[in-house]
Amino acid sequence: EAQVTQNPRYLITVTGKKLTVTCSQNMNHEYMSWYRQDPGLGLRQIYYSMNVEVTDKGDVPEGYKVSRKEKRNFPLILESPSPNQTSLYFCASRSVYEQYFGPGTRLTVT
Amino acid sequence: GESVGLHLPTLSVQEGDNSIINCAYSNSASDYFIWYKQESGKGPQFIIDIRSNMDKRQGQRVTVLLNKTVKHLSLQIAATQPGDSAVYFCAVGGRPSGSARQLTFGSGTQLTVLP
Repeated sequence: EAQVTQNPRYLITVTGKKLTVTCSQNMNHEYMSWYRQDPGLGLRQIYYSMNVEVTDKGDVPEGYKVSRKEKRNFPLILESPSPNQTSLYFCASRSVYEQYFGPGTRLTVT
Repeated sequence: GESVGLHLPTLSVQEGDNSIINCAYSNSASDYFIWYKQESGKGPQFIIDIRSNMDKRQGQRVTVLLNKTVKHLSLQIAATQPGDSAVYFCAVGGRPSGSARQLTFGSGTQLTVLP
Protein backbone atom coordinates (compact mmCIF):
# COMPACT_ATOMS: atom_id res chain seq x y z
CA GLU A 1 0.00 0.00 0.00
CA ALA A 2 1.29 3.46 -0.98
CA GLN A 3 2.02 5.24 2.24
CA VAL A 4 3.63 8.26 3.87
CA THR A 5 4.29 7.78 7.58
CA GLN A 6 5.17 10.40 10.18
CA ASN A 7 6.31 10.11 13.75
CA PRO A 8 5.40 11.17 16.29
CA ARG A 9 1.74 11.95 15.65
CA TYR A 10 1.51 14.19 18.69
CA LEU A 11 4.24 16.04 20.53
CA ILE A 12 4.25 18.56 23.34
CA THR A 13 7.61 20.15 24.05
CA VAL A 14 9.18 23.21 25.62
CA THR A 15 10.83 26.19 24.01
CA GLY A 16 14.38 25.52 22.92
CA LYS A 17 14.38 21.72 23.16
CA LYS A 18 15.54 20.28 19.84
CA LEU A 19 13.18 17.85 18.17
CA THR A 20 12.93 15.81 14.99
CA VAL A 21 9.79 14.69 13.18
CA THR A 22 10.44 11.73 10.92
CA CYS A 23 8.84 11.12 7.53
CA SER A 24 9.10 8.04 5.36
CA GLN A 25 7.51 7.04 2.04
CA ASN A 26 7.41 3.69 0.25
CA MET A 27 6.63 4.88 -3.30
CA ASN A 28 10.18 5.62 -4.44
CA HIS A 29 9.20 9.23 -5.06
CA GLU A 30 11.99 11.67 -5.68
CA TYR A 31 10.07 14.73 -4.49
CA MET A 32 9.18 15.19 -0.83
CA SER A 33 8.08 18.20 1.14
CA TRP A 34 7.00 19.47 4.52
CA TYR A 35 4.01 21.70 5.17
CA ARG A 36 2.50 23.35 8.18
CA GLN A 37 -1.21 23.93 8.49
CA ASP A 38 -2.61 26.74 10.59
CA PRO A 39 -6.25 27.86 10.92
CA GLY A 40 -7.28 30.19 8.12
CA LEU A 41 -3.90 30.00 6.37
CA GLY A 42 -4.05 26.75 4.46
CA LEU A 43 -1.04 24.55 3.87
CA ARG A 44 2.25 26.41 3.65
CA GLN A 45 5.37 24.74 2.39
CA ILE A 46 8.36 24.73 4.75
CA TYR A 47 11.01 22.85 2.78
CA TYR A 48 11.09 20.52 -0.16
CA SER A 49 13.53 18.05 -1.64
CA MET A 50 13.80 17.08 -5.28
CA ASN A 51 16.08 14.14 -4.61
CA VAL A 52 18.70 12.74 -2.24
CA GLU A 53 20.95 15.51 -0.94
CA VAL A 54 18.89 18.14 -2.80
CA THR A 55 16.77 20.37 -0.56
CA ASP A 56 15.42 23.89 -0.85
CA LYS A 57 13.38 26.40 1.10
CA GLY A 58 9.66 26.70 0.70
CA ASP A 59 7.52 29.63 1.76
CA VAL A 60 8.12 29.50 5.55
CA PRO A 61 11.54 27.90 6.23
CA GLU A 62 12.63 30.02 9.23
CA GLY A 63 13.34 27.93 12.31
CA TYR A 64 13.39 24.60 10.47
CA LYS A 65 15.99 22.31 8.95
CA VAL A 66 15.68 19.21 6.83
CA SER A 67 17.94 16.51 5.47
CA ARG A 68 17.58 13.97 2.68
CA LYS A 69 20.22 11.27 3.05
CA GLU A 70 18.02 8.52 1.69
CA LYS A 71 15.27 8.63 -0.90
CA ARG A 72 12.58 7.32 1.42
CA ASN A 73 13.24 9.53 4.46
CA PHE A 74 12.88 13.28 4.91
CA PRO A 75 13.07 14.34 8.58
CA LEU A 76 12.07 17.80 9.77
CA ILE A 77 14.32 19.26 12.47
CA LEU A 78 13.50 22.08 14.86
CA GLU A 79 16.80 23.05 16.48
CA SER A 80 15.26 25.48 18.97
CA PRO A 81 11.47 25.31 18.85
CA SER A 82 9.43 28.38 19.73
CA PRO A 83 5.71 28.76 20.53
CA ASN A 84 4.99 30.19 17.06
CA GLN A 85 5.94 26.79 15.65
CA THR A 86 2.94 25.24 17.34
CA SER A 87 1.09 23.82 14.37
CA LEU A 88 -0.06 20.76 12.47
CA TYR A 89 2.69 19.44 10.22
CA PHE A 90 2.32 17.29 7.13
CA CYS A 91 4.92 15.47 5.15
CA ALA A 92 4.13 14.74 1.51
CA SER A 93 5.73 12.88 -1.35
CA ARG A 94 4.83 12.93 -4.99
CA SER A 95 5.51 11.93 -8.50
CA VAL A 96 5.03 14.64 -11.14
CA TYR A 97 1.28 14.77 -10.70
CA GLU A 98 0.18 12.69 -7.72
CA GLN A 99 0.84 13.85 -4.19
CA TYR A 100 0.36 11.79 -1.04
CA PHE A 101 0.23 13.27 2.44
CA GLY A 102 1.16 11.71 5.75
CA PRO A 103 -1.33 11.63 8.64
CA GLY A 104 0.08 14.74 10.30
CA THR A 105 2.03 15.61 13.44
CA ARG A 106 0.37 17.89 15.97
CA LEU A 107 3.17 19.88 17.65
CA THR A 108 2.68 22.11 20.67
CA VAL A 109 5.57 24.24 21.93
CA THR A 110 5.08 25.77 25.37
CA GLY B 1 3.60 34.33 -7.22
CA GLU B 2 0.32 32.59 -6.83
CA SER B 3 -2.47 33.23 -4.36
CA VAL B 4 -5.44 30.97 -3.90
CA GLY B 5 -8.72 31.86 -2.21
CA LEU B 6 -11.93 30.07 -1.45
CA HIS B 7 -15.24 31.83 -1.59
CA LEU B 8 -16.85 30.37 1.51
CA PRO B 9 -15.15 29.04 4.65
CA THR B 10 -18.19 26.92 5.51
CA LEU B 11 -20.97 25.26 3.54
CA SER B 12 -23.93 23.26 4.83
CA VAL B 13 -26.03 21.09 2.52
CA GLN B 14 -28.82 18.60 2.98
CA GLU B 15 -28.01 14.96 2.47
CA GLY B 16 -28.80 14.04 -1.12
CA ASP B 17 -28.38 17.57 -2.47
CA ASN B 18 -25.51 18.62 -4.70
CA SER B 19 -22.61 20.62 -3.24
CA ILE B 20 -20.53 23.23 -5.03
CA ILE B 21 -17.25 24.45 -3.58
CA ASN B 22 -15.38 27.28 -5.26
CA CYS B 23 -11.78 28.39 -5.55
CA ALA B 24 -10.13 31.38 -7.21
CA TYR B 25 -6.51 31.74 -8.22
CA SER B 26 -4.41 34.67 -9.33
CA ASN B 27 -1.72 33.45 -11.72
CA SER B 28 -2.92 32.99 -15.29
CA ALA B 29 0.18 30.83 -15.98
CA SER B 30 -1.00 28.16 -13.53
CA ASP B 31 -1.77 24.98 -15.39
CA TYR B 32 -2.56 22.27 -12.86
CA PHE B 33 -5.33 22.20 -10.30
CA ILE B 34 -6.16 19.69 -7.61
CA TRP B 35 -8.97 19.25 -5.13
CA TYR B 36 -8.26 17.63 -1.77
CA LYS B 37 -10.51 16.36 0.99
CA GLN B 38 -9.34 16.49 4.59
CA GLU B 39 -11.27 14.67 7.28
CA SER B 40 -10.82 15.54 10.91
CA GLY B 41 -7.53 14.22 12.25
CA LYS B 42 -6.27 13.04 8.88
CA GLY B 43 -3.99 14.23 6.14
CA PRO B 44 -5.33 15.68 2.89
CA GLN B 45 -6.56 13.11 0.41
CA PHE B 46 -6.48 13.59 -3.36
CA ILE B 47 -9.95 13.77 -4.94
CA ILE B 48 -9.56 14.91 -8.51
CA ASP B 49 -7.31 17.02 -10.67
CA ILE B 50 -7.56 18.95 -13.92
CA ARG B 51 -5.04 20.44 -16.29
CA SER B 52 -5.39 23.76 -18.04
CA ASN B 53 -6.09 22.18 -21.43
CA MET B 54 -9.44 20.99 -20.07
CA ASP B 55 -12.45 22.84 -18.67
CA LYS B 56 -14.27 19.92 -17.10
CA ARG B 57 -13.37 16.59 -15.63
CA GLN B 58 -15.59 14.03 -13.96
CA GLY B 59 -14.90 11.40 -11.36
CA GLN B 60 -17.09 9.27 -9.20
CA ARG B 61 -19.81 11.67 -7.95
CA VAL B 62 -17.41 14.61 -8.37
CA THR B 63 -16.90 17.08 -11.18
CA VAL B 64 -14.28 19.79 -11.41
CA LEU B 65 -14.92 22.81 -13.61
CA LEU B 66 -12.16 25.18 -14.67
CA ASN B 67 -12.76 28.68 -16.03
CA LYS B 68 -9.40 30.06 -17.07
CA THR B 69 -10.90 33.34 -18.25
CA VAL B 70 -11.88 34.36 -14.73
CA LYS B 71 -9.33 32.13 -12.99
CA HIS B 72 -11.91 30.12 -11.11
CA LEU B 73 -12.44 26.46 -10.42
CA SER B 74 -15.17 24.59 -8.66
CA LEU B 75 -15.77 21.16 -7.20
CA GLN B 76 -19.24 19.71 -7.54
CA ILE B 77 -20.27 16.76 -5.41
CA ALA B 78 -23.41 14.98 -6.53
CA ALA B 79 -25.88 13.49 -4.06
CA THR B 80 -23.88 14.58 -1.03
CA GLN B 81 -23.55 11.95 1.69
CA PRO B 82 -22.69 12.21 5.40
CA GLY B 83 -19.25 10.77 4.62
CA ASP B 84 -18.57 13.80 2.45
CA SER B 85 -18.42 16.03 5.53
CA ALA B 86 -14.84 17.34 5.59
CA VAL B 87 -12.69 20.31 4.69
CA TYR B 88 -12.15 20.70 0.96
CA PHE B 89 -9.38 22.79 -0.51
CA CYS B 90 -7.88 23.40 -3.88
CA ALA B 91 -4.23 23.50 -4.84
CA VAL B 92 -2.85 25.31 -7.86
CA GLY B 93 0.42 24.53 -9.58
CA GLY B 94 2.67 25.79 -12.31
CA ARG B 95 4.53 23.85 -14.97
CA PRO B 96 6.55 20.91 -13.72
CA SER B 97 10.31 21.09 -13.50
CA GLY B 98 11.66 17.56 -13.49
CA SER B 99 9.69 15.82 -10.78
CA ALA B 100 8.91 19.02 -8.93
CA ARG B 101 5.76 21.04 -9.09
CA GLN B 102 5.18 23.87 -6.67
CA LEU B 103 1.67 23.95 -5.32
CA THR B 104 -0.16 26.80 -3.62
CA PHE B 105 -3.04 25.77 -1.39
CA GLY B 106 -6.29 27.50 -0.51
CA SER B 107 -7.39 27.63 3.12
CA GLY B 108 -10.35 25.30 2.74
CA THR B 109 -14.14 25.10 2.92
CA GLN B 110 -15.72 23.08 5.72
CA LEU B 111 -18.57 21.08 4.20
CA THR B 112 -21.22 19.89 6.63
CA VAL B 113 -23.87 17.45 5.44
CA LEU B 114 -27.16 17.80 7.30
CA PRO B 115 -29.41 14.75 7.78
